[in-house]
Amino acid sequence: QKEVEQNSGPLSVPEGAIASLNCTYSDRGSQSFFWYRQYSGKSPELIMSIYSNGDKEDGRFTAQLNKASQYVSLLIRDSQPSDSATYLCAVISFMGGSNYKLTFGKGTLLTVNP
Amino acid sequence: NAGVTQTPKFQVLKTGQSMTLQCAQDMNHNSMYWYRQDPGMGLRLIYYSASEGTTDKGEVPNGYNVSRLNKREFSLRLESAAPSQTSVYFCASSAGYENEQFFGPGTRLTVL
Repeated sequence: QKEVEQNSGPLSVPEGAIASLNCTYSDRGSQSFFWYRQYSGKSPELIMSIYSNGDKEDGRFTAQLNKASQYVSLLIRDSQPSDSATYLCAVISFMGGSNYKLTFGKGTLLTVNP
Repeated sequence: NAGVTQTPKFQVLKTGQSMTLQCAQDMNHNSMYWYRQDPGMGLRLIYYSASEGTTDKGEVPNGYNVSRLNKREFSLRLESAAPSQTSVYFCASSAGYENEQFFGPGTRLTVL
């Protein structure tokens, strides 16, 4: 069973702070990693993809991947109240042949306080 | 481009009734998926279609059937609805099964 684990939170940060969201995965062969943002009552929205070790920056968001330690993180700089949402980590694992599996974590609820 | 669209947005059914949830994508994606999301359970895969003409069971297929009508459309059918199927249903699509998925707006289904 390939698993993706996230702290359910809630993670509460003040406006302007850095929010750090973490995710660990069990399949060492995982090759693609995604962060989705889901506002209450809305559908998941893809915000970051990362495929190789290191950091990937996009505006206020930075995704970090460490395959040796099997974790992926998302940093949100200068957090805004509009960043308050549930953040889902998703991992693609190769299952053999032409089969892949996308596994979602259960998400971390982030609250940014004005 | 509309991306992934779903109909209806809301539906209330009585136990035993049937209905079909519709999903369409205009991104020329090969793969499509149906998920349900329940509080505390996260997203769970019901069925998926890796490419036109193929469908496979996901994690929670019981009580559901699917049809990949063409490359754009993927429908989910509840033959005899049960209260345990009260949930939010999301359709998603991706270029290939190894690629990131894009989600539709969801259908909120209540079975009384």
